[in-house]
Amino acid sequence: NAGVTQTPKFQVLKTGQSMTLQCAQDMNHEYMSWYRQDPGMGLRLIHYSVGAGITDQGEVPNGYNVSRSTTEDFPLRLLSAAPSQTSVYFCASSPWGDSRNEQFFGPGTRLTVL
Amino acid sequence: AQTVTQSQPEMSVQEAETVTLSCTYDTSESDYYLFWYKQPPSRQMILVIRQEAYKQQNATENRFSVNFQKAAKSFSLKISDSQLGDAAMYFCAYRYPGGNEKLTFGTGTRLTIIP
Repeated sequence: NAGVTQTPKFQVLKTGQSMTLQCAQDMNHEYMSWYRQDPGMGLRLIHYSVGAGITDQGEVPNGYNVSRSTTEDFPLRLLSAAPSQTSVYFCASSPWGDSRNEQFFGPGTRLTVL
Repeated sequence: AQTVTQSQPEMSVQEAETVTLSCTYDTSESDYYLFWYKQPPSRQMILVIRQEAYKQQNATENRFSVNFQKAAKSFSLKISDSQLGDAAMYFCAYRYPGGNEKLTFGTGTRLTIIP
């Protein structure tokens, strides 16, 4: 199993550009989520999904869109990048329905918005 | 709202010694789960240990153990026989049933191992 994969690993954008961060998992997990990590702030939840066709907002959703058309993929879209979105982004997945389950994280994407 | 606090931004320990990282949390839930994640320079988030709130026994995983004090809402991580590979950021996290599986993280503690 590859686990959780994310592409790209690094990205530089100009203000106003759009892009999609890709996330895929091969563990058949229902639950997938996106976090952003900023210095001194830990990881904060952006959006999450509990299955194909079902998504919901986390605590910092503004400026980001998600969709979930398959169990495996959960892309994160930035429609108009802003410097405040400079961060490291992590995708995570786990089975749904038991909070003791480990969430498996991808390797992260470092995004810089100039 | 649930919050997780790690009051030690940085810690250091001599190789082979023992170190304890602190974590406190705030919740009105009675059933929940607590986790410690390790983030080495590679950036990969790795689960170190987990604790179920309904279990009084403290979790242990090899050199890693926790001191879980439910009434005090405290969840500290003890690393014994520290090794150079333990150098990393350590995050405490909280999750509860009905919370949409959301992990609430603390701000992290950077652990340095002194050879």
